[in-house]
Amino acid sequence: EPEVTQTPSHQVTQMGQEVILRCVPISNHLYFYWYRQILGQKVEFLVSFYNNEISEKSEIFDDQFSVERPDGSNFTLKIRSTKLEDSAMYFCASSVAGRSQPQHFGDGTRLSIL
Amino acid sequence: KNEVEQSPQNLTAQEGEFITINCSYSVGISALHWLQQHPGGGIVSLFMLSSGKKKHGRLIATINIQEKHSSLHITASHPRDSAVYICAVRLRAAGNKLTFGGGTRVLVKP
Repeated sequence: EPEVTQTPSHQVTQMGQEVILRCVPISNHLYFYWYRQILGQKVEFLVSFYNNEISEKSEIFDDQFSVERPDGSNFTLKIRSTKLEDSAMYFCASSVAGRSQPQHFGDGTRLSIL
Repeated sequence: KNEVEQSPQNLTAQEGEFITINCSYSVGISALHWLQQHPGGGIVSLFMLSSGKKKHGRLIATINIQEKHSSLHITASHPRDSAVYICAVRLRAAGNKLTFGGGTRVLVKP
């Protein structure tokens, strides 16, 4: 069964450094999402992406965050200048269509900021 | 303000027992998802519901739109069912994003 794949599985970065989290959505999917889960807390929505542009973003997704679909297969989340509070599990998800279809999740990238 | 509430937060069952997890939400939704989060952190989509009932193997999910309530049932529970089960909703007024409940941690003892 097709899967959403995320790399790396664990990323350790110094505070202030830039980090790029990578996702390969399922190939025929058109809608892409990033969520994050701080340890012990609920999963939170960050951003959704469709037709090469952001369709919705949360208040968490401020100017230090950006997303890109650079080559038609990868979907990346960049955090420009990481803070300690960015430490979390980051999940990528994709769906064939928007409202009527389930979202399929990757296994997540655990980001640790030192 | 918690738009999605799950109960219980934690549940321990003996192998073979019937398990029920509840999810209540406070606003209009277009769909409700039940997700399973493994101990390693990965998330698997179990069901997406907008009405009625769905069954997959030993898992059954129901939703009552009028009462804004959904349940996930696990029949003949097994230790491999031990995981965190998460309810997430797609709010009618909020595009495609999911809003998550806090999860129910299930432990099934052999």
